[in-house]
Amino acid sequence: GQQLNQSPQSMFIQEGEDVSMNCTSSSIFNTWLWYKQDPGEGPVLLIALYKAGELTSNGRLTAQFGITRKDSFLNISASIPSDVGIYFCAGHPVRGGATNKLIFGTGTLLAVQP
Amino acid sequence: DTAVSQTPKYLVTQMGNDKSIKCEQNLGHDTMYWYKQDSKKFLKIMFSYNNKELIINETVPNRFSPKSPDKAHLNLHINSLELGDSAVYFCASTRGRGNQPQHFGDGTRLSIL
Repeated sequence: GQQLNQSPQSMFIQEGEDVSMNCTSSSIFNTWLWYKQDPGEGPVLLIALYKAGELTSNGRLTAQFGITRKDSFLNISASIPSDVGIYFCAGHPVRGGATNKLIFGTGTLLAVQP
Repeated sequence: DTAVSQTPKYLVTQMGNDKSIKCEQNLGHDTMYWYKQDSKKFLKIMFSYNNKELIINETVPNRFSPKSPDKAHLNLHINSLELGDSAVYFCASTRGRGNQPQHFGDGTRLSIL
């Protein structure tokens, strides 16, 4: 099935550092979503983007919907230990039709050393 | 208080058995989903129901049968369990059929012995 290319695959950083990850696709998307998954839990929505070029913040998190509608990025500023987890991008492709099918990225594992 | 709740959280069973996982959402959403997350953490859609109508069926073996008694519930029954069925299964829900974010349950970890 279709998957989004997400990079990097993993990141090991020091507390206080900024983090950047991105997601790309060969096709156009209507929405971009960023989720975080903690161990033993389900993905939790962080940011939702609905328009090309849109830049949205949620606390220390900032995400952008790429102008080409084929990519998105997520930045985390001043990372803290509780930022540890797997970050997933997800999107609704334009050709998804009326089924509201959500395609997920491959995930970025973030480890933060205190 | 829980928005999307799944039971059980853990399920350990023998190959060949039949088992069910239940999901309920109290968000008033119209659409519910089942996802499978494998050992590499890939999340893949399996099924989706909108107001009890099946709208997505992603090439899943017919040993898997979803059932939606009403729009707040979506259950997943699996017949003749195989080793490859071991995974975490997530239920999710969303409002309407448009491009709204999906809200996920905490998952059911299925282990086949």
